[in-house]
Amino acid sequence: AQSVTQPDIHITVSEGASLELRCNYSYGATPYLFWYVQSPGQGLQLLLKYFSGDTLVQGIKGFEAEFKRSQSSFNLRKPSVHWSDAAEYFCAVGAGGTSYGKLTFGQGTILTVHP
Amino acid sequence: DADVTQTPRNRITKTGKRIMLECSQTKGHDRMYWYRQDPGLGLRLIYYSFDVKDINKGEISDGYSVSRQAQAKFSLSLESAIPNQTALYFCATGATGEGKNTQYFGPGTRLTVL
Repeated sequence: AQSVTQPDIHITVSEGASLELRCNYSYGATPYLFWYVQSPGQGLQLLLKYFSGDTLVQGIKGFEAEFKRSQSSFNLRKPSVHWSDAAEYFCAVGAGGTSYGKLTFGQGTILTVHP
Repeated sequence: DADVTQTPRNRITKTGKRIMLECSQTKGHDRMYWYRQDPGLGLRLIYYSFDVKDINKGEISDGYSVSRQAQAKFSLSLESAIPNQTALYFCATGATGEGKNTQYFGPGTRLTVL
């Protein structure tokens, strides 16, 4: 079965600084990878997804993520953080076989942005 | 209007009470899911349904049941609520053949069991 680890529970950055949120997955084949964001009091919004092809994917709100098979990672990045990016971020992995149609989520990373 | 709606948005109930959380979607998706979110644990799958006649248990289905009344409606029931079912509950939808497991989430229901 697949699994996802987000090593950082809480990250604090200053507005305008760059951001990288880490995500490591465990799965035997090529996974389907997702990043979602949850703003306070809101549901989860899809930021970006990777299925195949170009390993650098662009998402909404200026976010990007890079799939690195050798490191089993799918880290989320943003060059300049805005105060409105403060939220909780979830990495998720989907797979085929008996797990088809399901997602496994990481524990989440809470992002705090200082002015 | 939101594509995935959940009712109620907030609910406080007492131990032993039966409670139903409802989810409706206008996305035309065939798949629907129920998750619970607890701090530090991410989202865990309770039940999922790939069409009206297909219901499957997720990783934490004990103490919960579901009903898929129509393609657009998927309800989650707690037959006898207990305090450790206090959590944020999310409904999600997805479409077979679209986006390889991509799911779209409702706004959540915050449930408190006293």
